[in-house]
Amino acid sequence: QKEVEQDPGPLSVPEGAIVSLNCTYSNSAFQYFMWYRQYSRKGPELLMYTYSSGNKEDGRFTAQVDKSSKYISLFIRDSQPSDSATYLCAMSVSGSARQLTFGSGTQLTVLP
Amino acid sequence: GAVVSQHPSRVICKSGTSVKIECRSLDFQATTMFWYRQFPKQSLMLMATSNEGSKATYEQGVEKDKFLINHASLTLSTLTVTSAHPEDSSFYICSATGTLYILRSEQFFGPGTRLTVL
Repeated sequence: QKEVEQDPGPLSVPEGAIVSLNCTYSNSAFQYFMWYRQYSRKGPELLMYTYSSGNKEDGRFTAQVDKSSKYISLFIRDSQPSDSATYLCAMSVSGSARQLTFGSGTQLTVLP
Repeated sequence: GAVVSQHPSRVICKSGTSVKIECRSLDFQATTMFWYRQFPKQSLMLMATSNEGSKATYEQGVEKDKFLINHASLTLSTLTVTSAHPEDSSFYICSATGTLYILRSEQFFGPGTRLTVL
């Protein structure tokens, strides 16, 4: 079993839809949770960063962490074609950037 | 955020040759740099971690004699794929972090290098 599981998709939604992306994990020691966005043939860029359980909102993006269920989500409201990318979740035990464990990524396409 | 560049963006080489990929942090001092490999529709697989001035730490299963990593300065790390073979064809991505970012778990990624070995 992988430490971090993420549905690879692909996921296609119409413009304006609410998108829900999810990851589950097995290591209960993870405390820091991140979402990265990766456009085709580019390196990932950090989108959201959260610590422990709870919600964090940034514009159209909301990150949610449920440590009791070992489940994290990223919601995208009013999705745009420019949101089309692969979204990777990442986790860390210590908070150190030296120790990130990535999910496999979910490929999202937002259709105009 | 900080900027990391990678060069070249794409390289095609013949089997048996060596290829060098450069990773530079442009506006911060990268005390730690990471090299990842990514196959299509798969996640980033960490290959090695390098701290400036030290030998790289390789992940299990990664041949250190095949993937030579040098981190000679606070802004530059290089990955050399020696005697490349078709199975080494992949997308190689570097990332970097520094003192200001490391406690925020933040790594800054380069744009990646597509290596194709014929």
